[in-house]
Amino acid sequence: NAGVTQTPKFQVLKTGQSMTLQCAQDMNHEYMSWYRQDPGMGLRLIHYSVGAGITDQGEVPNGYNVSRSTTEDFPLRLLSAAPSQTSVYFCASRGELYNEQFFGPGTRLTVL
Amino acid sequence: AQKVTQAQTEISVVEKEDVTLDCVYETRDTTYYLFWYKQPPSGELVFLIRRNSFDEQNEISGRYSWNFQKSTSSFNFTITASQVVDSAVYFCALNQAGTALIFGKGTTLSVSS
Repeated sequence: NAGVTQTPKFQVLKTGQSMTLQCAQDMNHEYMSWYRQDPGMGLRLIHYSVGAGITDQGEVPNGYNVSRSTTEDFPLRLLSAAPSQTSVYFCASRGELYNEQFFGPGTRLTVL
Repeated sequence: AQKVTQAQTEISVVEKEDVTLDCVYETRDTTYYLFWYKQPPSGELVFLIRRNSFDEQNEISGRYSWNFQKSTSSFNFTITASQVVDSAVYFCALNQAGTALIFGKGTTLSVSS
């Protein structure tokens, strides 16, 4: 049982490049979400999904796309990276029984 | 709307001191959950505690204790006899069943020897 996994751990992009941050969970959780963490801002919700095929926007969705084709995977796409997207990104999944959130180890992204 | 406020941005203490981290929340719902997470310098988020809105019992786990008071919408976290390993950023968070976690901005705790 690996929990929530994220790849890559670190990434450096140039402005305008695209990339996908991968997130997977093996706990059969329906609810998954993406957060970004910036200094002094706490964690802010980007997008979330309540199940395969269903996604919705969070507090800071601009510049990011998501899809949920399977229960296990919830990738986050940056179509045209900007320096303002330099951040640490956390993926999370939530269990139904106790509402406990499980977080991945994070991806540190730098956009030059 | 839901909101979590951690008014203390940074706290510095000396080892063995007790320290309390404040958390005040806002929600209109009667059913909700409160959480505390620890983020050590290594960066991962470590779950510490979850409390639902119907359980106002205080909880103690070793040197950690939590005081939940619905009357003041507060869920404060106390570390007794702090240690250097307690140095981290601590986040308070709130959600209602079926919704996303809303985080406070965090309190950075520095414990010196």
